Amino acid sequence: DIQLTQSPSFLSASVGDRVTITCRASQGINNYLGWYQQKPGKAPKLLIDGASSLQSGVPPRFSGSGSGTEFTLTISSLQPEDFAAYYCQQLTTHPYFGGGTTVELK
Amino acid sequence: QVQLVQSGAEVKKPGASVKVSCKASGYTFSHYAMHWVRQAPGQSLEWMGWINAGTGNTEYSQRFQGRVTISRDTSTSTTYMELSNLRSDDTAIYYCTSSIGVSASNYWGQGTLVTVSS
Repeated sequence: DIQLTQSPSFLSASVGDRVTITCRASQGINNYLGWYQQKPGKAPKLLIDGASSLQSGVPPRFSGSGSGTEFTLTISSLQPEDFAAYYCQQLTTHPYFGGGTTVELK
Repeated sequence: QVQLVQSGAEVKKPGASVKVSCKASGYTFSHYAMHWVRQAPGQSLEWMGWINAGTGNTEYSQRFQGRVTISRDTSTSTTYMELSNLRSDDTAIYYCTSSIGVSASNYWGQGTLVTVSS
């Protein structure tokens, strides 16, 4: 099975900061990767599919890149509503999640 | 509109089983897979398994192999996740999710809290 290592686990940032979260796969997965945002008490929300395809309604300050084994989620200018947990998920037959990144206010 | 509506919270004793349901609407149920994902308090998301709603074929995470059974009833567009031999560390919110038109999970149920306590 393909495992994902997500980093960092925690990130302290300020409004307006550029934030980058990394996800590394134990084997190449082409672009079969999704990114989710989760706020406390809510189900996860899909932000990006296919490593870089922004979902409808998601602000363009979010972007995803990468292919193969290394992927990134970037928030170009952090907004107050972006403080949340973020997860990557590889989209193969056994679609495991990364360990998550909590973005908190510095 | 697509909706996934799950059954209500459960409290179970260690060693018991729990069966959570997820009723789908707003799309052709048999055309898409349904996944089950859980999240223990303060922990990451954990994929458990999925079912091809058309064929009934299933895939399970090795971590839950032998303890989890995912099934479906096409007549009611409902998917079920049964977890047996419950332990205290199975206390979690259990979600059903579907991928419609995309590869990742773009629709999620509201979650079902399962508490395992003696």
